[in-house]
Amino acid sequence: EAQVTQNPRYLITVTGKKLTVTCSQNMNHEYMSWYRQDPGLGLRQIYYSMNVEVTDKGDVPEGYKVSRKEKRNFPLILESPSPNQTSLYFCASSLGTVDTEAFFGQGTRLTVV
Amino acid sequence: DQQVKQNSPSLSVQEGRISILNCDYTNSMFDYFLWYKKYPAEGPTFLISISSIKDKNEDGRFTVFLNKSAKHLSLHIVPSQPGDSAVYFCAARDNDMRFGAGTRLTVKP
Repeated sequence: EAQVTQNPRYLITVTGKKLTVTCSQNMNHEYMSWYRQDPGLGLRQIYYSMNVEVTDKGDVPEGYKVSRKEKRNFPLILESPSPNQTSLYFCASSLGTVDTEAFFGQGTRLTVV
Repeated sequence: DQQVKQNSPSLSVQEGRISILNCDYTNSMFDYFLWYKKYPAEGPTFLISISSIKDKNEDGRFTVFLNKSAKHLSLHIVPSQPGDSAVYFCAARDNDMRFGAGTRLTVKP
């Protein structure tokens, strides 16, 4: 089954404790991205990757890192989480950037206390 | 600077009637527009799209209209069903995909 898998689904952590949210897709998609969803703001892009070893900042990259060592994986790293990073996070992948839809993971609800 | 705007946070309609969800954008470089549907505790799922060279695309009960001169698109759902109750996101692509804030649709039986 074609899917985007994120882990964990839920996470409560403390300020400053490094964490990684994993994302994996099995569709051989080249384009992957991370979004955060906050009330009234919709989905805002954090980082995206057009291919292996190619990553770029989205609209809200501060406080986040990503890597794309393999085509299928695109982990999101919070080196020193802060409470304003409490949010619902979605990973997405698509075949390309033109005329294609993105497939989303089920989301990771992160709470930083 | 929100390039894609959905100005109605919520919409309530009666089952069987038409639902119309609206979306405005500011960037004239967008060339592909999409609507996503999101249920609680799930990721957004693709619903319907339209290329900038068209002004209408239809898929069953769902129709998307694009007015490029007004930088406006809308999603029509006819007839609306209770299972359509969800949050609907409008999105637009150039190299990236930009989303609106979403509209929560409630279809009452």
